[in-house]
Amino acid sequence: DTAVSQTPKYLVTQMGNDKSIKCEQNLGHDTMYWYKQDSKKFLKIMFSYNNKELIINETVPNRFSPKSPDKAHLNLHINSLELGDSAVYFCASSFTSGGEDTQYFGPGTRLTVL
Amino acid sequence: GNSVTQMEGPVTLSEEAFLTINCTYTATGYPSLFWYVQYPGEGLQLLLKATKADDKGSNKGFEATYRKETTSFHLEKGSVQVSDSAVYFCALSDRSTGNQFYFGTGTSLTVIP
Repeated sequence: DTAVSQTPKYLVTQMGNDKSIKCEQNLGHDTMYWYKQDSKKFLKIMFSYNNKELIINETVPNRFSPKSPDKAHLNLHINSLELGDSAVYFCASSFTSGGEDTQYFGPGTRLTVL
Repeated sequence: GNSVTQMEGPVTLSEEAFLTINCTYTATGYPSLFWYVQYPGEGLQLLLKATKADDKGSNKGFEATYRKETTSFHLEKGSVQVSDSAVYFCALSDRSTGNQFYFGTGTSLTVIP
């Protein structure tokens, strides 16, 4: 009965590789997000999708590409991985209507680029 | 624009001490305010929230009051426990931008026995 799940939990890879992180939510939310958390715990919004449409696209290298096949899924694909991409990536979801705006977070994916 | 300024850590307290973590915000509209907690190795969990001025959010002994006059949402707990050791994030939600969240930088709390 996990609300927001992410796979994998850990990802170790070499520079230059391409990798994907998957996210699924079973809360019936209409909006999903990707955040990056650096080693100092600072959280940065990367993308937001509402009903499969991109609504927030912060200044992120175009090596990062989100894909939302349906409202319950938002995947993150990263091309040509660099050392600086090492971080914890969090998926989150929420409603954007009806006054309930709490975001619910997944457990995170720790990406290490060697 | 919108932003959240949070007390810098790390904070170290003895068990049963009183905790305050300061949070102030700037907002263009009427945001909701949140405190999230992140335990080691885990994702962020909602701790409490308040949606309008003078609302008080509370959970697990933690409290915070939405103060519009001082644009603040300080987190307090009367008696901390070792299990409260975590990173605490203050955040605001702006409905006018699709509920985009603006997070503070996080405050690390360590409670020692």
